[in-house]
Amino acid sequence: NAGVTQTPKFQVLKTGQSMTLQCAQDMNHEYMSWYRQDPGMGLRLIHYSVGAGITDQGEVPNGYNVSRSTTEDFPLRLLSAAPSQTSVYFCASSALGQPSGANVLTFGAGSRLTVL
Amino acid sequence: AQSVTQPDIHITVSEGASLELRCNYSYGATPYLFWYVQSPGQGLQLLLKYFSGDTLVQGIKGFEAEFKRSQSSFNLRKPSVHWSDAAEYFCAVGDGGFKTIFGAGTRLFVKA
Repeated sequence: NAGVTQTPKFQVLKTGQSMTLQCAQDMNHEYMSWYRQDPGMGLRLIHYSVGAGITDQGEVPNGYNVSRSTTEDFPLRLLSAAPSQTSVYFCASSALGQPSGANVLTFGAGSRLTVL
Repeated sequence: AQSVTQPDIHITVSEGASLELRCNYSYGATPYLFWYVQSPGQGLQLLLKYFSGDTLVQGIKGFEAEFKRSQSSFNLRKPSVHWSDAAEYFCAVGDGGFKTIFGAGTRLFVKA
């Protein structure tokens, strides 16, 4: 019963490097999302997806790309890392079909990224 | 735009004392409201939710929250805090679409 699995748990990058944070869920959830958590700012939505082939932007999408080729996976790509992207990243998923806007999110354990 | 305000950055309570964490939201229609808890180094876990109906909702670990439309509030309460409740607590609102908006969080410290 894995739930939402994120890899890696920790990563250090140099400015300008690229990387992909992986997220996989085994609950057959249609909805998947990425948040970043910064001190004093709570969680801010980066991108989300409501199904394979469908993605949309959240509050802070700049510098990040996503794709959704399968129901299970929702990777987050940093094309050219910047120190401002130092953060803890959370992937979260939810079943749809509830009242719209009432997504009960299941979170992964997080990925801590440091950009030097 | 929807928003969530948690006025207290951190709160310290003694073990066995009661707890109330404040949350105010800004939303035009009937909101979908949530409280999540994050233990150190962990992801977030749902404590409770309000969608409609009874304005007092019960959650896991002995927590409850009361929705007050007139005050745009959804405060979290627990009658007797345990040391294991030390964590960060996030209030959140569903935006009526596909986005969940989170507050900045309140960190709870529990004194022995």
